[in-house]
Amino acid sequence: DSGVTQTPKHLITATGQRVTLRCSPRSGDLSVYWYQQSLDQGLQFLIQYYNGEERAKGNILERFSAQQFPDLHSELNLSSLELGDSALYFCASSDSLGQGGNSPLHFGNGTRLTVT
Amino acid sequence: AQSVTQLGSHVSVSEGALVLLRCNYSSSVPPYLFWYVQYPNQGLQLLLKYTTGATLVKGINGFEAEFKKSETSFHLTKPSAHMSDAAEYFCAVTQGAAGNKLTFGGGTRVLVKP
Repeated sequence: DSGVTQTPKHLITATGQRVTLRCSPRSGDLSVYWYQQSLDQGLQFLIQYYNGEERAKGNILERFSAQQFPDLHSELNLSSLELGDSALYFCASSDSLGQGGNSPLHFGNGTRLTVT
Repeated sequence: AQSVTQLGSHVSVSEGALVLLRCNYSSSVPPYLFWYVQYPNQGLQLLLKYTTGATLVKGINGFEAEFKKSETSFHLTKPSAHMSDAAEYFCAVTQGAAGNKLTFGGGTRVLVKP
C-alpha cells in the first residue's frame, strides 16, 4: 500500500461530459503529480502541485485542469471529454518539490476512465 | 531535454532464468534513473534508483541495475525469474535532484513461463 488514495477506481462517461478525479497523497507529502497512461501514449506527465501551487506542467490539454487544496488533496478535472481521453489516470505524491532521487514518487492505483 | 528508450515492449522468460530489461536514456545533465514495476490493476512501485555514487544499484525483490554512463544505459537484471515477477517494468529519468519532470520509457511487459 503506497498510502496514496485515488477515487473513483472506475469511471464511465459519455463524450462531451466533465469528470473530476480525486487524489489524497501520502501523509506528509506536499507534492502531488498527475499522470495519464494510455496504450498509444504510454505514461505521460500531466501536472504537478506543491503545497497548493502549480509547479510543473507536462502534456496537459487545455480541457484539463487540476488544483491542490489546503488539506493537500488534489483534483483533476477533465472536460469536453473525447474518446481519446480514455486512459488510466495516476496520482503520485512525494515529500519534496522535485522528482529527484531522494524523494521518489509513490503512486496510487489509478482511476480508469472510459469515455463512450 | 531527456528521454528514455526501453528495448522490447514484451519479454518472455522461463521461471529460474535470467531477466534482462534494457533501458537507454538521454539527458543534458547528470541523470537520476529509476526502475518502477506495475502489477496488474495497481499503480507503479519503485524497484530501485540511481542518484550518485555506486553504479550498481540493488533494489527490491532481487532486482539490480547498473548505470553505465559511457553507454547511457541503465539495464535491469534479476538472476532467477519467479512467477511473481510477471508485471510491466518502466525505466524513468529525471534531471538531477531538482528535476521536476520524471520521463518514463514505454514499458516492458514481462511474462514468466513455468
